[in-house]
Amino acid sequence: GAGVSQSPSNKVTEKGKDVELRCDPISGHTALYWYRQSLGQGLEFLIYFQGNSAPDKSGLPSDRFSAERTGGSVSTLTIQRTQQEDSAVYLCASSSGGYNSPLHFGNGTRLTVT
Amino acid sequence: GESVGLHLPTLSVQEGDNSIINCAYSNSASDYFIWYKQESGKGPQFIIDIRSNMDKRQGQRVTVLLNKTVKHLSLQIAATQPGDSAVYFCAETPPGGTSYGKLTFGQGTILTVHP
Repeated sequence: GAGVSQSPSNKVTEKGKDVELRCDPISGHTALYWYRQSLGQGLEFLIYFQGNSAPDKSGLPSDRFSAERTGGSVSTLTIQRTQQEDSAVYLCASSSGGYNSPLHFGNGTRLTVT
Repeated sequence: GESVGLHLPTLSVQEGDNSIINCAYSNSASDYFIWYKQESGKGPQFIIDIRSNMDKRQGQRVTVLLNKTVKHLSLQIAATQPGDSAVYFCAETPPGGTSYGKLTFGQGTILTVHP
């Protein structure tokens, strides 16, 4: 597609349930990132993929969070046993991976944990 | 710790005026800076970037200024339009060349343009 696509756009889940968030990056972009944006806050880095490998997972808040990327394209962010503090907008971005290549963001998935 | 912050959380201007949004950063080793615009319900949209070896860069109606002496970044928007109303974030990347997408974002400035 023309831009980064994320699904679902909104997700409401009960505390304790697992959720999967999907990201389709711009075709040909080798680098993919997940960020989290809490209400009224800036963006918080979660994880970075180059191809299918994740050289930087330092932003994942806990071991309940995991992400994978297959085929150098689609990525899935999984949150297990969701907690209310996980409520946020989860943003995916991709870039060509080159030096100074800007990130192109999707519109995010708004996750609400009740 | 290292952080990127903004001087003004909100800015209101009249249509046609020029806008200036400011950002302070604390990591003097950062070598790449970006401004993003975020409209309600959407993801951040790239506006303009600048490398640390530059002090000014111009785009269409926007100019970014970098003052490394005082670690200050600003975004100037000329002839501001109602469509410019959004939250503006500055972001920096650490040096090293390995994770240029690992941005540190400021908290954002809300720009409101009145017709």
